[in-house]
Amino acid sequence: DAGVIQSPRHEVTEMGQEVTLRCKPISGHDYLFWYRQTMMRGLELLIYFNNNVPIDDSGMPEDRFSAKMPNASFSTLKIQPSEPRDSAVYFCASSRRRGRGGELFFGEGSRLTVL
Amino acid sequence: AQSVTQPDIHITVSEGASLELRCNYSYGATPYLFWYVQSPGQGLQLLLKYFSGDTLVQGIKGFEAEFKRSQSSFNLRKPSVHWSDAAEYFCAVGETGGYNKLIFGAGTRLAVHP
Repeated sequence: DAGVIQSPRHEVTEMGQEVTLRCKPISGHDYLFWYRQTMMRGLELLIYFNNNVPIDDSGMPEDRFSAKMPNASFSTLKIQPSEPRDSAVYFCASSRRRGRGGELFFGEGSRLTVL
Repeated sequence: AQSVTQPDIHITVSEGASLELRCNYSYGATPYLFWYVQSPGQGLQLLLKYFSGDTLVQGIKGFEAEFKRSQSSFNLRKPSVHWSDAAEYFCAVGETGGYNKLIFGAGTRLAVHP
């Protein structure tokens, strides 16, 4: 089974531009998570979905960030407009139902640089 | 709210030496506990996990961890470190009644000297 697939792996953009990060979770996983990793703040949970429904978006920094999950096999994280402080590695992760106790499977991340 | 503390930001050991990475958690109920490893430029990979039962859990790559409720700790150990173990290690706590939401510690970066 393929793991969590993220694209793009690297993105360099200029301040003010729109950025869209994409994620394909592992088939059969009911939960999808977006994390952001920076040197200063470590791994932060931005938002997570259960059965395509956003459950907790309290970690989303501000209105410039939005996430969607139109179906069980695809999610996007959008930043509009982007700012230099958004530069980070963004990870998508998925997991099975709660009975598995929360084991997350991570993608390789999307490294975003905003100039 | 639950939290995870990893007191050591950086640790350096010699190849072949033993290793212990510390993790303390704060959680009201019985936690789900995890250790993940991240190699440079990669995503996180699960090393081991504790849900219940035997407090000493075995993981991949020769790692083990011990859950100590009295100390709110879940330290990761390896008896003999290999150069390929150089990476960043994250401890995480999960909600037992929630939606598989994990809270991660700040991480410990391990360097291995030959």
